[in-house]
Amino acid sequence: AQRVTQPEKLLSVFKGAPVELKCNYSYSGSPELFWYVQYSRQRLQLLLRHISRESIKGFTADLNKGETSFHLKKPFAQEEDSAMYYCALSGHNQGGKLIFGQGTELSVKP
Amino acid sequence: GAVVSQHPSRVICKSGTSVKIECRSLDFQATTMFWYRQFPKKSLMLMATSNEGSKATYEQGVEKDKFLINHASLTLSTLTVTSAHPEDSSFYICSARVLGTLAGEQFFGPGTRLTVL
Repeated sequence: AQRVTQPEKLLSVFKGAPVELKCNYSYSGSPELFWYVQYSRQRLQLLLRHISRESIKGFTADLNKGETSFHLKKPFAQEEDSAMYYCALSGHNQGGKLIFGQGTELSVKP
Repeated sequence: GAVVSQHPSRVICKSGTSVKIECRSLDFQATTMFWYRQFPKKSLMLMATSNEGSKATYEQGVEKDKFLINHASLTLSTLTVTSAHPEDSSFYICSARVLGTLAGEQFFGPGTRLTVL
């Protein structure tokens, strides 16, 4: 079965501290993995896609096929990073359907 | 970037009435749109995939006669909640794919808050 698991509902860190939002997935094949972010009172938007191996707003995420993980990391959290973060999976030949994790609320305190 | 709008942003209706929610891609054509439901502090649950010119594909457990989806043009998909009941109260979000981008790369609308009294 296809599944995305984000074990932490809430992650609270202080400004400047490193942050890691965990994401594990279950999929029989080679999925595409994404991180979406939703800031307060804003719509959901794409943050990162694994295939691009990019760094956006200081965030990076590496796909680890052995551990079936796609953790989101940032070395120094900023207050403006406070938001809901969703890990999502898109399967091959599924027309773009996204399976979302439960979401992790990141709170960065001053 | 690609912009997706939804109308209305919020609606309150009486139990038993039907409510239509529109999802529009403003500056691009979307052959595929998706409808999600989001409960407070919870994840997005995919309800259905809306394909322009063909029938929508519903996820398991979603009643297609209850949640009617129409994708009549490349820029508009509608979700009609028929005979709404209080348990249908939720936040409904649509998204759209841009052709040529990754399949899972979607642009989301701002959502519609439905409250059924």
